[in-house]
Amino acid sequence: QVHLQESGPGLVKPSETLSLTCSVSGGSISSGNKFWSWVRQPAGKGLEWIGRIYTSGLTSYSPSLKSRVTISLDTSKNQFSLRLSSVTAADTALYYCAREGIRADTDVWGKGITVLVSS
Amino acid sequence: SYVLTQSPSVSVAPGQTASITCGGDNIGSQSVHWYQQMPGQAPVLVVFDDSDRPSGIPERFSGSNSGNTATLTISRVEAGDEADYYCQVWDRVSDHVVFGGGTKLTVL
Repeated sequence: QVHLQESGPGLVKPSETLSLTCSVSGGSISSGNKFWSWVRQPAGKGLEWIGRIYTSGLTSYSPSLKSRVTISLDTSKNQFSLRLSSVTAADTALYYCAREGIRADTDVWGKGITVLVSS
Repeated sequence: SYVLTQSPSVSVAPGQTASITCGGDNIGSQSVHWYQQMPGQAPVLVVFDDSDRPSGIPERFSGSNSGNTATLTISRVEAGDEADYYCQVWDRVSDHVVFGGGTKLTVL
């Protein structure tokens, strides 16, 4: 059974870059027709899709975040990562990593990591 | 970009049926997925591809999708079903994934 675990700083200063890593266990990040994605949720609000990466390295990003987002794979470590540049307080949220099927049916989620953007 | 619209809240008495809707332009042509999110927990997939259930999800959860509305139906509602529910689609035209705003289900 695949498990996902987010890691990274819980506090990021405004204008800096948020960097998170998702470690995948119980299966290979390179196998199957799966996408590896990031979703965030500000406190008390709904889910926001950030973007995803296919096993081939092909990426797709939310239009509202595309200019600031990079998602990458590290198959040697069985991990994938999120970088979000030029953060502001509006980027404060609970960040989830997840596994999506071909039509984005997301069957595996990490527990989430809270990131606060503050000086 | 594609927009999904959900009512903010739905209330239902125990044992009754809850219907949670998700509106979108010609959503019937899309594959819709539904998630249940309990307070303080990650979302859980309860229906995928409009009407299929992952293993372990009770048969009380069902889905349908036609025209401009997709519906998640929860039969014989229990207190433990109280949660936020989100619809989601993959817009194949733009290759973007979209979530609805979420519906809070309250069991009276």
